[in-house]
Amino acid sequence: EDKVVQSPLSLVVHEGDTVTLNCSYEVTNFRSLLWYKQEKKAPTFLFMLTSSGIEKKSGRLSSILDKKELFSILNITATQTGDSAIYLCAVAPAGNNRKLIWGLGTSLAVNP
Amino acid sequence: DTAVSQTPKYLVTQMGNDKSIKCEQNLGHDTMYWYKQDSKKFLKIMFSYNNKELIINETVPNRFSPKSPDKAHLNLHINSLELGDSAVYFCASSFGGRGELFFGEGSRLTVL
Repeated sequence: EDKVVQSPLSLVVHEGDTVTLNCSYEVTNFRSLLWYKQEKKAPTFLFMLTSSGIEKKSGRLSSILDKKELFSILNITATQTGDSAIYLCAVAPAGNNRKLIWGLGTSLAVNP
Repeated sequence: DTAVSQTPKYLVTQMGNDKSIKCEQNLGHDTMYWYKQDSKKFLKIMFSYNNKELIINETVPNRFSPKSPDKAHLNLHINSLELGDSAVYFCASSFGGRGELFFGEGSRLTVL
């Protein structure tokens, strides 16, 4: 059965710390891996990764995919309280199947 | 202009009632989804439509009936509401099976 596993489930850090969130997957016919951030309302899209070893970067956030070892990491440097959120990882299978396989998320709390 | 908009944002109702949630997207996407997010924050796909055709129909009680009058609109009707239906229901849209979903702000349903 296809699955996506995120770790840790929750994390508490202080402002300024660097965090690494993990996402491993077992999915047949992989197409892409996606990261989302969910604060109080809707999940918002962060990154989509399709190729191994190519880092995607947006400000203090970056992500990389390893298709051989079947995982991705999301790094956040110099964390701020506004980074507090649930970070969701999902995998999109190839083909006409539009059903994303979601992880349970990592709840990040950044304390001042 | 809100890209994916849902109404109502909040819904409080009694067990046994029937209610509807509406969703509209102005992104020109061809695929729309309903997700349910329970108190543990896990996102569970319920339905998906591609160009008005139902393409994902997960194991959901048949009290839930989606309708897509056109590719920009997707509604969810729920009959005979039960306590366990209390959750946040998210509408989302995407272009094809890319996986980059855009979510609405959610409709929080509370069944008393």
